[in-house]
Amino acid sequence: AQRVTQPEKLLSVFKGAPVELKCNYSYSGSPELFWYVQYSRQRLQLLLRHISRESIKGFTADLNKGETSFHLKKPFAQEEDSAMYYCALLTNYQLIWGAGTKLIIKP
Amino acid sequence: SQTIHQWPATLVQPVGSPLSLECTVEGTSNPNLYWYRQAAGRGLQLLFYSVGIGQISSEVPQNLSASRPQDRQFILSSKKLLLSDSGFYLCAWSGGRNQPQHFGDGTRLSIL
Repeated sequence: AQRVTQPEKLLSVFKGAPVELKCNYSYSGSPELFWYVQYSRQRLQLLLRHISRESIKGFTADLNKGETSFHLKKPFAQEEDSAMYYCALLTNYQLIWGAGTKLIIKP
Repeated sequence: SQTIHQWPATLVQPVGSPLSLECTVEGTSNPNLYWYRQAAGRGLQLLFYSVGIGQISSEVPQNLSASRPQDRQFILSSKKLLLSDSGFYLCAWSGGRNQPQHFGDGTRLSIL
């Protein structure tokens, strides 16, 4: 079955601390994965996709096929990173979404 | 640049009334269009997607329907709303099957 799991509903870290938002997937094909972010009072927007292998706003995510994971990481959290983060798996036309993790950065 | 507009932002409707939510995309042609429902703590659920005018695929059986009367217009409808239709509805577009999806601001629908 195709599934995306974000085990943490809420993650709270101090400013300057490292952040890791976990995402695990279940998919028999070659996965294409995304991280989306929704800041307060803003629309859901694409943060990064694994095939781009880029760093956006200091965030990176590496696809680990052995562990079927696509964790989102940032070495030093900033207050403006507080938001809702969703991991999503692209299958055919459909994006399969995780339930989301609310990230709170404490000053 | 491409933009997506979704309206209304909020809507309060009585049970049994009809529904029409509209979504339009500008700055691109022949986009893939999507309707999602976002439930608290459960992520996004795909309701409908369309790869062209008049072509609608439904992902889950429900009280809702979708139509694409024009290339860049996608409408979510219901003839008779149920209490369970309350929720947050998002429209999205993408440039192709494997392209990222871009979202509208969403519509908060409350059924009384």
